[in-house]
Amino acid sequence: GAVVSQHPSWVICKSGTSVKIECRSLDFQATTMFWYRQFPKQSLMLMATSNEGSKATYEQGVEKDKFLINHASLTLSTLTVTSAHPEDSSFYICSASTSIGTVPYNEQFFGPGTRLTVL
Amino acid sequence: DAKTTQPPSMDCAEGRAANLPCNHSTISGNEYVYWYRQIHSQGPQYIIHGLKNNETNEMASLIITEDRKSSTLILPHATLRDTAVYYCIVRPLYNQGGKLIFGQGTELSVKP
Repeated sequence: GAVVSQHPSWVICKSGTSVKIECRSLDFQATTMFWYRQFPKQSLMLMATSNEGSKATYEQGVEKDKFLINHASLTLSTLTVTSAHPEDSSFYICSASTSIGTVPYNEQFFGPGTRLTVL
Repeated sequence: DAKTTQPPSMDCAEGRAANLPCNHSTISGNEYVYWYRQIHSQGPQYIIHGLKNNETNEMASLIITEDRKSSTLILPHATLRDTAVYYCIVRPLYNQGGKLIFGQGTELSVKP
């Protein structure tokens, strides 16, 4: 149990376009989802935390108008990178946790990540 | 900022035990020690966590010192598939929205 998927697993786009990444909890209801970004040879950096039905809380230095996060249901969160530029190329990883059901309370379960390359 | 320090890299021979240290000298009484690992180009994978007692599961053992200022993750019989970056993280179990703050981790290379 506690499986998180991401789609797409990789995406290449042109500079100036927008890209949407989906994060789904497959077998549990995710009351909270997290989005991380990871540059090559670096650690994961938390971008934002989103609770279902609420606006996301962004970490300091993360542009909320550039990285749009939606968590409209208990099984789906989306991250949209707007007007992407080459410096946005990175590995984006989501995770999900829950405060309901039988899945361990407040543990984070990670998706496999999405590799974004902006040309 | 991460509240843990780990060596940047370690090597281990296949079949031998891998002992990965972590310092968390400022850990609070309500904070747990978590270990995750990340195989190249994949999402992090949960390994184990503990509060003050030693813990063991099918993947690893976690040894926490009595003063809780440091811990060691033990992979008893390392295989090539254990090559990954291992992250030691401290966090309150029920507070702060469950955020995980990742440090730089230890890159473990298991060699034949």
